[in-house]
Amino acid sequence: KAGVTQTPRYLIKTRGQQVTLSCSPISGHRSVSWYQQTPGQGLQFLFEYFSETQRNKGNFPGRFSGRQFSNSRSEMNVSTLELGDSALYLCASSPLGRARNEQFFGPGTRLTVL
Amino acid sequence: AQTVTQSQPEMSVQEAETVTLSCTYDTSESDYYLFWYKQPPSRQMILVIRQEAYKQQNATENRFSVNFQKAAKSFSLKISDSQLGDAAMYFCAYRTDNTGNQFYFGTGTSLTVIP
Repeated sequence: KAGVTQTPRYLIKTRGQQVTLSCSPISGHRSVSWYQQTPGQGLQFLFEYFSETQRNKGNFPGRFSGRQFSNSRSEMNVSTLELGDSALYLCASSPLGRARNEQFFGPGTRLTVL
Repeated sequence: AQTVTQSQPEMSVQEAETVTLSCTYDTSESDYYLFWYKQPPSRQMILVIRQEAYKQQNATENRFSVNFQKAAKSFSLKISDSQLGDAAMYFCAYRTDNTGNQFYFGTGTSLTVIP
């Protein structure tokens, strides 16, 4: 099976702009989670989608949003970008999103906000 | 609140030697799962090893093993016979069905393998 794919791999934006990142999970996986990775902070959980419904949300401002489509592909959107949003955004999928399930990570999208 | 702490930002090991990465966590749950993930430079994160909290036996995957101390809430990773390909950032993670399946990650330990 193909792994988790994320597009684009790199993005450069300026403050105030908005951005949309895309994630295609492994075929058959219904759970997609998003994480923000920054040096020193590690991975911070953004949200999880399961069968097109947001099942859990981390402690991020409302500028961060997401959605999941019927084919399990997911997008996350960040509006009114700030310098502090510069990070590696990782997407991970798992079959059912149960705690025992391994999460398979994508390569990430590197977002730079100038 | 669940927290995961990795107190060693950086570690180094000689090739073929053994190294132990530390991880502690805080939880009030009794049923949960612990993971070690590896993130090589510019490459995807992959699962190294997983431990179910209800299992007393420590998990082992080839050269990788854990020392799970449930009472102490400690979950260390031992890498034996270290290889150059083991150089990576290692993340300890915690997850439980009772908190919406959210992963809680530590801040990572950067492992350097010295030839």
